[in-house]
Amino acid sequence: DAGVIQSPRHEVTEMGQEVTLRCKPISGHNSLFWYRQTMMRGLELLIYFNNNVPIDDSGMPEDRFSAKMPNASFSTLKIQPSEPRDSAVYFCASTRAYLQNNEQFFGPGTRLTVL
Amino acid sequence: DAKTTQPNSMESNEEEPVHLPCNHSTISGTDYIHWYRQLPSQGPEYVIHGLTSNVNNRMASLAIAEDRKSSTLILHRATLRDAAVYYCILRREGGTSYGKLTFGQGTILTVHP
Repeated sequence: DAGVIQSPRHEVTEMGQEVTLRCKPISGHNSLFWYRQTMMRGLELLIYFNNNVPIDDSGMPEDRFSAKMPNASFSTLKIQPSEPRDSAVYFCASTRAYLQNNEQFFGPGTRLTVL
Repeated sequence: DAKTTQPNSMESNEEEPVHLPCNHSTISGTDYIHWYRQLPSQGPEYVIHGLTSNVNNRMASLAIAEDRKSSTLILHRATLRDAAVYYCILRREGGTSYGKLTFGQGTILTVHP
């Protein structure tokens, strides 16, 4: 298995531009999580989906952020318009919900820099 | 969510055992204790988890206090590859949490050759 796949691995953009981050979860996993990591705030959960349905988006910082999961094998996190304070590493993770262990598998992350 | 408290950093020498402590005095009966670690420039990875009994796997051992208010992750022989940030996380089972993880600041483990 290829693991959780994220693209792009690095993104540099200018303030005001739209940014789209992509995630392909592990096949067979039905829960997907988006996290953001910064030095100041550590790892924060932004939103998670179960069976493609958003369950909790309370971590999404503001309306500029949106996430979708159109099918079981693909999710996007969009920032529009982007701001310098959005610079961070964004991780996607997936798991099988309802299993006792429920280990989350993380992708390699997307390092976003907004100038 | 119940909180965990970990030391900011710890150091170890290669091939020596490492005991990483975690306090969770407000743990509830349905909270599992999970440990993840994050190697430099990588996403977090699962290490081990437990509820009440001590647990062993190929990566580490987890020792849980009888009152469950604290736990210790044990790396039996540290290697340079074990240098990472180690997160102790309480994860509530059931309800609508769907296995949600809340990461704290973790413990930065430095391993000296």
